[in-house]
Amino acid sequence: RKEVEQDPGPFNVPEGATVAFNCTYSNSASQSFFWYRQDCRKEPKLLMSVYSSGNEDGRFTAQLNRASQYISLLIRDSKLSDSATYLCVVNTVNTGNQFYFGTGTSLTVIP
Amino acid sequence: DAGITQSPRHKVTETGTPVTLRCHQTENHRYMYWYRQDPGHGLRLIHYSYGVKDTDKGEVSDGYSVSRSKTEDFLLTLESATSSQTSVYFCAISERPMEGYTFGSGTRLTVV
Repeated sequence: RKEVEQDPGPFNVPEGATVAFNCTYSNSASQSFFWYRQDCRKEPKLLMSVYSSGNEDGRFTAQLNRASQYISLLIRDSKLSDSATYLCVVNTVNTGNQFYFGTGTSLTVIP
Repeated sequence: DAGITQSPRHKVTETGTPVTLRCHQTENHRYMYWYRQDPGHGLRLIHYSYGVKDTDKGEVSDGYSVSRSKTEDFLLTLESATSSQTSVYFCAISERPMEGYTFGSGTRLTVV
């Protein structure tokens, strides 16, 4: 079983739409959670950390549900510049502080 | 952005030849990582380092070795390149892994 699983999409949404991505992780001992953004042929970049209480950064909201081992990312008022692949990332200290990456969810925002 | 550079950016090599990829940082971060990214697999950890001369294997370490003789440099070596090692290789650094990583721009390696 993969450590982190994501719906690969693709998600094609119109500008201004709200879109949500989900991610599940298998190790209940996981301690840190992140969303990264990766543009085509570029390196991943940290979008936001995900905290137990949920957190918001502008149009982006991240949620964590430890009981269900589930992470979500909500993007409101989508912009063309949001088009990218979004990677769910989980860090588990008891496996040598390794990060496990999902395969990513592709988003295209259409004019 | 954090100072992290990878070299070379692109490389084509022949099967059976040794290849070394370099990751250089100017941030004095303790942790350094090598990942490979392939379609359908996402990013997978090859090796990582938690200090000078302190390294450990990741989930896909077979066929790779690493060295870290100083804080700023982390080298990844393919002793005898195979076509299955054709991939995009990313280096990442972190001082506090619980706060996330910063990635280099990647090296596109093609083994023919």
